[in-house]
Amino acid sequence: DAKTTQPNSMESNEEEPVHLPCNHSTISGTDYIHWYRQLPSQGPEYVIHGLTSNVNNRMASLAIAEDRKSSTLILHRATLRDAAVYYCILRGAGGTSYGKLTFGQGTILTVHP
Amino acid sequence: EAQVTQNPRYLITVTGKKLTVTCSQNMNHEYMSWYRQDPGLGLRQIYYSMNVEVTDKGDVPEGYKVSRKEKRNFPLILESPSPNQTSLYFCASSEQGGNYGYTFGSGTRLTVV
Repeated sequence: DAKTTQPNSMESNEEEPVHLPCNHSTISGTDYIHWYRQLPSQGPEYVIHGLTSNVNNRMASLAIAEDRKSSTLILHRATLRDAAVYYCILRGAGGTSYGKLTFGQGTILTVHP
Repeated sequence: EAQVTQNPRYLITVTGKKLTVTCSQNMNHEYMSWYRQDPGLGLRQIYYSMNVEVTDKGDVPEGYKVSRKEKRNFPLILESPSPNQTSLYFCASSEQGGNYGYTFGSGTRLTVV
């Protein structure tokens, strides 16, 4: 399985933008880049995903490098509710390649008031 | 409301006593998966199912069984639980393919004494 590397932890101040990086140098051409977050005492929650182009939704933006070997999750204005563990994972496109998924350790985001 | 429902939320049992953790989704998703989460080890995939009657092992399948007799349900069976299976368990589902995000359940905290 292609693996991802994320910093163990990051800190931000409330209402400031946060850029969470992820390296995935062994990504295959058909792997989608997914981001999830896990708030304390809850199940992981889908945030965003993309293949090649940058993506935006109501929660965040995803910036994907041109060579696809890295990506960045952008929270435009962090709130205290965004404090969570953020996971970057790769998901194959189809066949059996999307079935087996590996979550890394993720990045613990701390947001200061 | 679209959701993945796990039961029970909390369970304390004794070594060797067979138990089943149920998982049900109401989104007509083909794909379902089980994870366990342990401190310092992150989320690890136990089993997954691409569709009815189609299941496969994840990274840590030993000591677990699953079945997928109908699309909405994906129970996790511990035939002879042991203390090392004390963990937080999550069920997840999605449409087929990498271009879809997972929906996770709220988790089942299992303690085996």
